[in-house]
Amino acid sequence: QLQLQESGPGLVKPSETLSLTCTVSGGSISSRSYYWGWVRQPPGKGLELIGSIYYSGSTYYNPSLKSRVTISIDTSKNQFSLNLSSVTAADTAVYYCASHGAAAPNNWFDPWGQGTLVTVSS
Amino acid sequence: QPVLTQSSSASASLGSSVKLTCTLSSGHSSYIIAWHQQQPGKAPRYLMKLEGSGSYNKGSGVPDRFSGSSSGADRYLTISNLQSEDEADYYCETWDSNTHKVFGGGTKLTVL
Repeated sequence: QLQLQESGPGLVKPSETLSLTCTVSGGSISSRSYYWGWVRQPPGKGLELIGSIYYSGSTYYNPSLKSRVTISIDTSKNQFSLNLSSVTAADTAVYYCASHGAAAPNNWFDPWGQGTLVTVSS
Repeated sequence: QPVLTQSSSASASLGSSVKLTCTLSSGHSSYIIAWHQQQPGKAPRYLMKLEGSGSYNKGSGVPDRFSGSSSGADRYLTISNLQSEDEADYYCETWDSNTHKVFGGGTKLTVL
């Protein structure tokens, strides 16, 4: 059974780059059956897709964040990562990694990681 | 790109039933959605996939009290015999082209 776990700094300074890693266990990140994604949730607000990556390296980014986001995959470590550049206080959120099926119509997010709070502050 | 609309809040009494609604935008009434539950301080948890026909498939371990149904562009999540642990935020999710995902704004359910 797939399990995902986020890791990374909990505090990032304004204008710097937020970097998080998601470690996948219970399955291979090289599987053709899944996409690997990032979702964030600002305090007291709803869920927002950041983007997803396939084992091949193919990515999709939320257009509203596209200019600042890079998602990458490391098959040797069974991990994928998020970089969000030029952060501001508006990027303060709980960041979740999650997987979803690659074959329509089984494209819902399941499972989710436990989430990690990232605060942007000097 | 589809848009999902949810009421911001709902409430119901312990032991009763509640029906939450997620409405798909015009032109997207046939889309499949997923329902997720987010208990306070926890990560979202997948509950079920729900088709326009009303057919649904629940995730592992989801109690029988949770069911889904559909009518036109509306997708429903019904929770019967409400328990205190059902007090949570409920989000619907849909997608275009595998990866273009959107979430509804979420419904905060209060169990009285």
